[in-house]
Parts: sequence; C-alpha cells; structure tokens
Amino acid sequence: DSGVTQTPKHLITATGQRVTLRCSPRSGDLSVYWYQQSLDQGLQFLIQYYNGEERAKGNILERFSAQQFPDLHSELNLSSLELGDSALYFCASSTTGGGAKTGANVLTFGAGSRLTVL
Amino acid sequence: GQNIDQPTEMTATEGAIVQINCTYQTSGFNGLFWYQQHAGEAPTFLSYNVLDGLEEKGRFSSFLSRSKGYSYLLLKELQMKDSASYLCAVSGNYGQNFVFGPGTRLSVLP
Repeated sequence: DSGVTQTPKHLITATGQRVTLRCSPRSGDLSVYWYQQSLDQGLQFLIQYYNGEERAKGNILERFSAQQFPDLHSELNLSSLELGDSALYFCASSTTGGGAKTGANVLTFGAGSRLTVL
Repeated sequence: GQNIDQPTEMTATEGAIVQINCTYQTSGFNGLFWYQQHAGEAPTFLSYNVLDGLEEKGRFSSFLSRSKGYSYLLLKELQMKDSASYLCAVSGNYGQNFVFGPGTRLSVLP
C-alpha cells in the first residue's frame, strides 16, 4: 500500500456521461498530480495541485476539470466522455510542489482508476 | 517545454546487465527520476539524481550528466521479475514539473 488512495478502482460507463475520480494523498503530502495512461502509452500529465491551488497544467482537455479540497483530497471530473477517454487514470502525491532540488519531490502513485467508456 | 526520449523496447537475458538510456531537454532542472511500472500497475520509484554522477541502490544504479542532458538506469543480475516498463521523469521549474518519458519496455528472457 503506497498510502495514496484512489477510488473507484474500475469504472464502466457510456459515451456522453460524466464521472468523478477521487484521490486521497499520502499523509503529509501537499501536492497532488493527475496522469492519464492509455493502453500501451506513456503517462500523460494532466494537472497538478499544491495545497489547494492549481500549480501546473498539462494536456488536460476542456471536458476535464479537477480540484483539491481543504483536506487535500482531489477529484478529477471527466465529462462528455468519449471512447478515447478509456484509460488508466493515476493520481500521485508528493511532499513538495516541485521547483526545488530535493528528493522530497518524489511522486508516490496510487493504484489507479481504470475507466472504460462503451 | 520538456522533451524526454527513451528507447521503446529492450530485451536481455536473466543474470545479465542492461543499461536503459534517457535523454532530456528541459528549461529548469530539479532532478531526474526513474520509475518501474509493471503492466496495469502503478509506477514505483527506483532512483533520483540531481547531481552528476552515479547513484547505486542494490542491483539498480542511475547515472546523470546534466551538461549532456543524459541519464541511464543500470540493472544488474537481471531477474524475470524485472520485466517491466522503466520510466524516466524530469522535475523542472514550476509549471513544467514531473514530465515522464515514453518508457522503455524491458523483457527479461530465461
């Protein structure tokens, strides 16, 4: 157990629907990252939050949104789902928000949420 | 922005040594990380380099040359369980943080 909790583990839904993925970071970690990994593809960075505020944004579609709450858990909302959104969605947490030469930047990943859009 | 490159696939024999290379271009550098990922599972942290040179952790070692934008992961005494994807990631400045390379799929054969 990495200490990063993601729910749900598996989700099957239909095109056009909306889903919410949830992530609880490791105790003490202030930063949360979201990544998308399609079949046999690399990890695509979506968005990062640090202590409740958006810190960095990657290739996140306008149909996707995220937020980090005061208790530091984060949610990734995916709407108007398309077949191509089927993927593993990983959340990771770290102690710092980055930008510092320290091993505290190490990301710890959750087990992922596997989304299947039919 | 950031650009990270790794070989797509490599094959090696059980008990052998394999070196997985990673080249990167980034604006701002705060460290290079190696992760291991088995199919369908979460990436797990292997090593971290922020200064030039070699970091050794048991069967795994990682090397960094900042001037060349180059790193490698060295795996010794390969075991079947080492068959996995190996991901190189660079921590850059704020806003360009923790971008992963495409990963190298390593197959260890008996």
